[in-house]
Amino acid sequence: DGGITQSPKYLFRKEGQNVTLSCEQNLNHDAMYWYRQDPGQGLRLIYYSQIVNDFQKGDIAEGYSVSREKKESFPLTVTSAQKNPTAFYLCASRSWGQANTEAFFGQGTRLTVV
Amino acid sequence: AQSVTQPDIHITVSEGASLELRCNYSYGATPYLFWYVQSPGQGLQLLLKYFSGDTLVQGIKGFEAEFKRSQSSFNLRKPSVHWSDAAEYFCAVGASGDMRFGAGTRLTVKP
Repeated sequence: DGGITQSPKYLFRKEGQNVTLSCEQNLNHDAMYWYRQDPGQGLRLIYYSQIVNDFQKGDIAEGYSVSREKKESFPLTVTSAQKNPTAFYLCASRSWGQANTEAFFGQGTRLTVV
Repeated sequence: AQSVTQPDIHITVSEGASLELRCNYSYGATPYLFWYVQSPGQGLQLLLKYFSGDTLVQGIKGFEAEFKRSQSSFNLRKPSVHWSDAAEYFCAVGASGDMRFGAGTRLTVKP
């Protein structure tokens, strides 16, 4: 079935360690997004990519990094520089160049840093 | 820059009552607007979208939304709420590059 897969669903890491969240899509979408969700703050855009080997910072990119080496994959690394990394992370994809198309979401990864 | 405001953080309605969730947007050009629903610990599911044409759009699960350009609003409505509608609802505005979301409205349904 077509869709977006995020893995793992739950992730625990020690403070100071980098961690990479996986996001894969088989919808043939050009654009991919990473959002962070905290209670009461909605979804805040971390990074997005409209095409392979290109990406842009969102509103809260500090402490995060991404890569887009393949159209299907957009992994997010939460670095030790991110001051408060514990959150729910959502990946999404969308057709590029068509603003009226909706974003499709993965099931999310809950990251807990202890 | 585009942005979305959802003024109501939490709404409680009785089962069978009508529902309206508010959304105001800020965007310089023609907005492309969306409503999503999220169950706890899950991703987001699209309820409906607007990009042109009729300002009243129908979605899944009996939801509808009305676009009012003069008020910069895109409010979500449902005539009769079911207990299964309890969830968090997000309004979003999408330009050609990115998509921005509101803070969400959590809906509680009383029996």
